[in-house]
Amino acid sequence: AQSVTQPDIHITVSEGASLELRCNYSYGATPYLFWYVQSPGQGLQLLLKYFSGDTLVQGIKGFEAEFKRSQSSFNLRKPSVHWSDAAEYFCAVGVMGRRALTFGSGTRLQVQP
Amino acid sequence: DAGVIQSPRHEVTEMGQEVTLRCKPISGHNSLFWYRQTMMRGLELLIYFNNNVPIDDSGMPEDRFSAKMPNASFSTLKIQPSEPRDSAVYFCASRFGQGGNQPQHFGDGTRLSIL
Repeated sequence: AQSVTQPDIHITVSEGASLELRCNYSYGATPYLFWYVQSPGQGLQLLLKYFSGDTLVQGIKGFEAEFKRSQSSFNLRKPSVHWSDAAEYFCAVGVMGRRALTFGSGTRLQVQP
Repeated sequence: DAGVIQSPRHEVTEMGQEVTLRCKPISGHNSLFWYRQTMMRGLELLIYFNNNVPIDDSGMPEDRFSAKMPNASFSTLKIQPSEPRDSAVYFCASRFGQGGNQPQHFGDGTRLSIL
């Protein structure tokens, strides 16, 4: 069965600094990969997704993620963080067949002024 | 376009009462998911429907929980009787198709408090 690990429970960065959130997956084949963001009191919003092709994918709100098969990783990055990016971020993996996505445990991002 | 719509947004009730959470998926989506989110356990998949048929209900905690999808535009999650440990945020999500390559779209959730 597939699994997703987000090793960082909580990250704090200064506004304007760069950001990288880590995500590692376990699956025997190439998975479908997603990043979601959850602001307080709201549901999860899709940031970006990877299916195949170019391993660097662009998403909304200036985020990007890079799929690295050799490291089984799909890390989320942003060059300059804004205070409004403070939220919880979830990595998820999908596989072939009639299955739900498997979500990581999330990383809570705090942004310092 | 309307997203996934959940109601109510908040529910506070006493233990032992029946609770019914409602979800309207995005039109045209044929897969629907119910999740529960708590601080302790994170995001848990409770049940997953495809074309109104339950595919995987292994996450339903116990017989007090039941879910139905009588048609493509409506689903309910019922807890009877409710207990304080059921307090959580319950999310509904929908997806077009049934493959894992399709993203799930989430509603804003129902915050449930059982006193």
